[in-house]
Formats: sequence, structure tokens, C-alpha cells
Amino acid sequence: SSELTQDPAVSVALGQTVRITCQGDSLRSYYASWYQQKPGQAPVLVIYGKNNRPSGIPDRFSGSSSGNTASLTITGAQAEDEADYYCNSRDSSGNHLHLLFGGGTKLTVL
Amino acid sequence: QVQLQESGPGLVKPSQTLSLSCTVSGGSISSGGYFWSWIRQHPGKGLEWIGYIYYSGSTYYNPSLKSRVTMSVDTSKNQFSLKLSSVTGADTAVYYCAREHSGYDYTQFDYWGQGKLVTVSS
Repeated sequence: SSELTQDPAVSVALGQTVRITCQGDSLRSYYASWYQQKPGQAPVLVIYGKNNRPSGIPDRFSGSSSGNTASLTITGAQAEDEADYYCNSRDSSGNHLHLLFGGGTKLTVL
Repeated sequence: QVQLQESGPGLVKPSQTLSLSCTVSGGSISSGGYFWSWIRQHPGKGLEWIGYIYYSGSTYYNPSLKSRVTMSVDTSKNQFSLKLSSVTGADTAVYYCAREHSGYDYTQFDYWGQGKLVTVSS
């Protein structure tokens, strides 16, 4: 099966823009979805598909994709955005109904 | 608003079978269009997809766990379940149930349970 690779940790100054990336061959065929997870809580979907935000997700969150890399961008990061972020997609290497998660990126807002 | 709630023992002995259920409220499992999923998270680690089941009973499992996983669905109770056999300490994790919804070119887990910590220990 394929893998999705994320940087373990990223930091951003309050109010600045940060990009969190996810790499994998499956992303050439499928868009990534992105989840925010705060300590002790279940993950929350923040971006899905080409660049769709579920109801209630601030518009400072956006998604994009190029080649084998998907990106989650937070424009004007807030203190409450400090969390772990995970990407997720289908596995294009075998059974396309199998799913993958990236290893997660810990975002620190300075 | 769809809600999911995991239930089951929080402590399982090594070599035994871990059994969890997920009760869905605010929507019917039988309505179709969704896969009902299990995901786990080892302490301090990332998310791992275990597998999912359609209301018809069709299942898809993570190849790395396939030999030990069984999922089932009970539409009369609006529940789905996970069994993981021959557990070891490496199966200690928070287990989440979630609803998976796919588009042509993406997948997403749009609703999650709160998670159930299962510890494997004698």
C-alpha cells in the first residue's frame, strides 16, 4: 500500500500564514482531506475534496493540491489553531477502497 | 445532527478479543451512501484506519490488520461493531468510530465518536 508523509512539526507566528503538506503517490489520483485534532479530543474535518470546508470551519483554512503533494493553508493563524493536523486519502496503489492517514503534523502557534 | 458513541470494555487481556460497538443517532445506518468506520490512535501517535462496513455488510479492512479484524452491522439497533482478535499490548489505543463519505475523487470522515481507550493488559 501507499503512504502519506507529513512533516512532524511546523510552527507559525500568530497572525501569519502557514502551509502544512502531505506527500504521497495516492495524491496524484485523489484529493486529501484534512483533520484538526486537539489534545484529548476526536479529530475534526476541516477540508475535504478539492477545497471544501464543512459548515463551521473558518475560511482561513484552505486546501490545494499539486502533483503528489496536498497542502493545508491557514491564513492568519490563531492561537486556537494550535493542534495536530492529519491528511487522509484513498490508496491508489491497490484496492482504492482502502484508506490512508498521514503521520500527522503538530502545529505550534508562537 | 449525526452522533456516534463507542461502547465496550476498556480493558482486554492479551490473546483475547477486543469488542467494541458504535451506536449511531440522528441518522440511519441503512440510509446508504456512507461507510461506517473504525480508526484507532496509539498513545501519542497518529491515526490508523482499521476498516469500514457498509449497511449491506460489505467490509474493507486495512491489510495490516485484516487477519484479525471482523466488522458487523446491526441495522435494527443502528449499530456497527468491531472485533479484533489475538490482541497484544500493541493494540492498546483509543478506538474511534466514524462515518465515511466519499466523492468521486476524495474521502472524508465527517462525523466521529468521542473515542474509547482500550488497554490490553493482564
